[in-house]
Amino acid sequence: AQSVTQLGSHVSVSEGALVLLRCNYSSSVPPYLFWYVQYPNQGLQLLLKYTSAATLVKGINGFEAEFKKSETSFHLTKPSAHMSDAAEYFCAVTLSTGRRALTFGSGTRLQVQP
Amino acid sequence: DTGVSQDPRHKITKRGQNVTFRCDPISEHNRLYWYRQTLGQGPEFLTYFQNEAQLEKSRLLSDRFSAERPKGSFSTLEIQRTEQGDSAMYLCASSIVGQLGDTFGSGTRLTVV
Repeated sequence: AQSVTQLGSHVSVSEGALVLLRCNYSSSVPPYLFWYVQYPNQGLQLLLKYTSAATLVKGINGFEAEFKKSETSFHLTKPSAHMSDAAEYFCAVTLSTGRRALTFGSGTRLQVQP
Repeated sequence: DTGVSQDPRHKITKRGQNVTFRCDPISEHNRLYWYRQTLGQGPEFLTYFQNEAQLEKSRLLSDRFSAERPKGSFSTLEIQRTEQGDSAMYLCASSIVGQLGDTFGSGTRLTVV
């Protein structure tokens, strides 16, 4: 079985500040990891994914995440926050075999203060 | 590529009524997933199809829930005898076998009153 834990249900940063959203995973086999963003009353949009190639993954809108096996982490970062980054962010995991349905964390709401 | 389309966007129903939601995936996508998302939580897997075959159902999918994908294209999710606990956002996602990262629709928000 696999799971993800997102530390911090709410994160608030100032515009221009570093964004760091934390995600730790648990998996019995090599995982594939994802970050999705959700704006109010919308579906989820894929930001980036780790598929066992490079451990530093770059995504859309200036976000990136680093896979650290020793720490079982996949934290999401962005050097400089924009107001438009305010949204809910979900970390998700799936296994390298099987049905590939995603197991999501409970989400982190990012607020960006002017 | 018009994305994953879900209909309706919002549904308000009285407890005990039946409701049906529709999902139209991206046309060449052969995998289709249904998820349920309650307020303040991440989506939870309900069921998935590969082409027209329903390959797995979560234990969250009680016998009041049924899903179909009759021709391997669009899918429907029906909830019979709705309960207040069914109030949630129902999300559909699709992908191609071998592709990682699903494309999500905007969801159907169900409110049971």
